[in-house]
Amino acid sequence: GDSVTQMEGPVTLSEEAFLTINCTYTATGYPSLFWYVQYPGEGLQLLLKATKADDKGSNKGFEATYRKETTSFHLEKGSVQVSDSAVYFCALSVGRYSSASKIIFGSGTRLSIRP
Amino acid sequence: GAGVSQSPRYKVAKRGQDVALRCDPISGHVSLFWYQQALGQGPEFLTYFQNEAQLDKSGLPSDRFFAERPEGSVSTLKIQRTQQEDSAVYLCASSSGQESNQPQHFGDGTRLSIL
Repeated sequence: GDSVTQMEGPVTLSEEAFLTINCTYTATGYPSLFWYVQYPGEGLQLLLKATKADDKGSNKGFEATYRKETTSFHLEKGSVQVSDSAVYFCALSVGRYSSASKIIFGSGTRLSIRP
Repeated sequence: GAGVSQSPRYKVAKRGQDVALRCDPISGHVSLFWYQQALGQGPEFLTYFQNEAQLDKSGLPSDRFFAERPEGSVSTLKIQRTQQEDSAVYLCASSSGQESNQPQHFGDGTRLSIL
């Protein structure tokens, strides 16, 4: 079945460090790929998305590229800030329209940034 | 309202009791989803509504779980004869349109604890 595997945490970095959180997926068809973020005490928020191969999603300095050949969607940021501390979820949906398709989530990666 | 609203935020019940969790989606959103998030895990799909029609309930873990959306707006997730394994955060998400790539917007969730 469809699934997402992401890097286990917790990940602890110093401010201004480079971040990579690995994510790979298994899916039938052509999934849309997402990164969601959950800040402490807040709900899930969509961080970025990509809907087809070689698309790059970006937001708030984060980027991820849809790699069909390696079935990956790794999250990167060049210089992290303390405010980036949160839990990050890689996710996919398989369906023609993402508004009508269930989302399959990875188990989450907790990121902590030291000042 | 501005976002998806869920109530109550916290619910404590004794094993065997019935509980009802409420979701108020963003006004006008056609699609509504329920997810279950166990501690330290990613959310898992439970069920999906398009207006008042429940189109997918494949994720409901047992017949003790029941969801409804009678007027195509507010939805209620009911759990009968609760068990300890039902303890989790229950998330509701809504999305505009039924044939679009609009994202799902998540509520803050209801944290259910079964004693």
